[in-house]
Amino acid sequence: DIQMTQSPSSLSASVGDKVTITCRASQGINNYLAWYQQKPGKVPKLLIYAASTLQSGVPSRFSGRGSGTDFTLTISSLQPEDVATYYCQKYNSAPRTFGQGTKVEIK
Amino acid sequence: EVQLVESGGGLVQPGRSLRLSCAASGFTFDGYAMHWVRQTPGKGLEWVSSIHWNSGSIDYADSVKGRFTISRDNAKKLLYLQMNSLRPEDTAFYYCAKDIQYLAPRGCFDLWGRGTLVTVSS
Repeated sequence: DIQMTQSPSSLSASVGDKVTITCRASQGINNYLAWYQQKPGKVPKLLIYAASTLQSGVPSRFSGRGSGTDFTLTISSLQPEDVATYYCQKYNSAPRTFGQGTKVEIK
Repeated sequence: EVQLVESGGGLVQPGRSLRLSCAASGFTFDGYAMHWVRQTPGKGLEWVSSIHWNSGSIDYADSVKGRFTISRDNAKKLLYLQMNSLRPEDTAFYYCAKDIQYLAPRGCFDLWGRGTLVTVSS
């Protein structure tokens, strides 16, 4: 099975900083990659699918890039409401594996 | 209102069974693949199972294959997860989730329920 590895596992940044999270697949998955945001005590929310397509209603400060095995999620200007754990997920085929998550905090 | 509401969780002894349900409303349920995802309290997300809109294709994670069965009733707008031979490691919040794409599933999820907690313990 394809493994999904996120880095870092956690980060702390200041409001307004640019934040980048990386997700690496152990084999190529084309662009079948989604990103989710899970705020504390809440259910996951889809941010991006097809590696770079922003889900409706998601702020434009979120962006995704990548194809094949290497992907990034970028928050261009970190806001207090972005405190959350972010997960990548591959969905080209079963199993639709998630990364282990990246916890984002405000410094 | 577009929503998914899970039910059926609870405390169960190892080796016993439990059936989860997910009630859908506010969208064309019979046109979307549906999925179950679980999350151990304080830990990450694990995809469990998927079912196409017409039940024509079903997938399971290796960790539940042979023990869990996903099914759906499109007339009642209900998704199910029958869980047999439960193990302590099955303890988690179980979420049902809707596929993002109508008819031709993508496998990513744009609507999640609030989850139901399953605790497997003696």
